Amino acid sequence: KNQVEQSPQSLIILEGKNCTLQCNYTVSPFSNLRWYKQDTGRGPVSLTIMTFSENTKSNGRYTATLDADTKQSSLHITASQLSDSASYICRAVGAGNMLTFGGGTRLMVKP
Amino acid sequence: KAGVTQTPRYLIKTRGQQVTLSCSPISGHRSVSWYQQTPGQGLQFLFEYFSETQRNKGNFPGRFSGRQFSNSRSEMNVSTLELGDSALYLCASSLGTNPYEQYFGPGTRLTVT
Repeated sequence: KNQVEQSPQSLIILEGKNCTLQCNYTVSPFSNLRWYKQDTGRGPVSLTIMTFSENTKSNGRYTATLDADTKQSSLHITASQLSDSASYICRAVGAGNMLTFGGGTRLMVKP
Repeated sequence: KAGVTQTPRYLIKTRGQQVTLSCSPISGHRSVSWYQQTPGQGLQFLFEYFSETQRNKGNFPGRFSGRQFSNSRSEMNVSTLELGDSALYLCASSLGTNPYEQYFGPGTRLTVT
């Protein structure tokens, strides 16, 4: 069964600090993985997408890594800002374009 | 270019009623997918429509149905509402040729009392 597990479920950090969110997937065969940011009351917005051959992808202060061997991905946020407070969702795509979403990590950045 | 729009944004219904939600995709997009999002289950795929035909379907009961019109606008209907149907319903559109490039709307927050 295709699954995507994210950790931690929630995280509180101080403004300016870095943090790393984890995503483990069991989707097989694996095609690509995308990270989304979802502000409260809004739809998810794509941050990065990586195929199985890519190891890292950056988007400003967001850097995603992918290890296709261990089926793990991480999203690193550098120098966090108050506006980074949101839910971060990981999505994996498998055979037949089956999309599997993780439960998300709720990040709160405090001043 | 306007993004995905969903109406209404908020809705309160009582058990047993039915509800219809609307989604207008980005201009030129032919695929519309619907998702249910709850705090406990995360994003759950409901169904996808492409050129007025249902292309994929998730594991939801028959009370959940949808359709797509010739202008790619889509509606989702839930009949005989249950308390557990309270959720954020998200619509995502894509060109349809690349299903990975989905753009989400702001969602409709449905509360069933």
